[in-house]
Amino acid sequence: QSVLTQPPSVSGAPGQRVTISCTGSSSNIGAGYDVHWYQQLPGTAPKLLIYGNSNRPSGVPDRFSGSKSGTSASLAITGLQAEDEADYYCQSYDSSLSGLHWVFGGGTKLTVL
Amino acid sequence: QVQLVESGGGVVQPGGSLRLSCAASGFTFSSYGMHWVRQAPGKGLEWVAFIRYDGSNKYYADSVKGRFTISRDNSKNTLYLQMNSLRAEDTAVYYCAKDTVVTPFDYWGQGTLVTVSS
Repeated sequence: QSVLTQPPSVSGAPGQRVTISCTGSSSNIGAGYDVHWYQQLPGTAPKLLIYGNSNRPSGVPDRFSGSKSGTSASLAITGLQAEDEADYYCQSYDSSLSGLHWVFGGGTKLTVL
Repeated sequence: QVQLVESGGGVVQPGGSLRLSCAASGFTFSSYGMHWVRQAPGKGLEWVAFIRYDGSNKYYADSVKGRFTISRDNSKNTLYLQMNSLRAEDTAVYYCAKDTVVTPFDYWGQGTLVTVSS
């Protein structure tokens, strides 16, 4: 299982707001490491969606926003559109006995009803 | 524009070896760290390995340590992943991704499929 925990699936109707949680621990998110989010459309490579907890790369609509608090982070999507249907992954860093590793959440499938 | 193109995937028997390549263009390759990330069929993303911009430091996931080797040739703008002692559980699409200090995976390639099967 993944070091970062995400719900397997979320859904919402067009125009609605959904949130995706990402729960970690004191060795990753809680240690102060940044959280990043990636969107993977069906059959394509992942794409950077949010970086540094809450920053959007150029070209990403402001319907997407990120936040972080304690050992958790969240991705919010407002004004849901059919094109938002995809898998979403959170990512951070984890410091363990075997060193610093980059870690992903298990992914959340967003269905637009 | 940034472009990352993986190659070298294919079908290999358990215990076999394979070398993946990632050709980079559109940025100064020698200035950035690079990652390999994999995705098993129908599963999530798993970080595999990272190499610093100058090759001075390399990091591996526990699942591949001792079997996989990441390397780079800055004169050829190419990243490599040498995979030895392959197992069925290594079957996945392998992506290379560019790293920056702020964004660890800011650009991704299209991926190359590795299938380990007898």
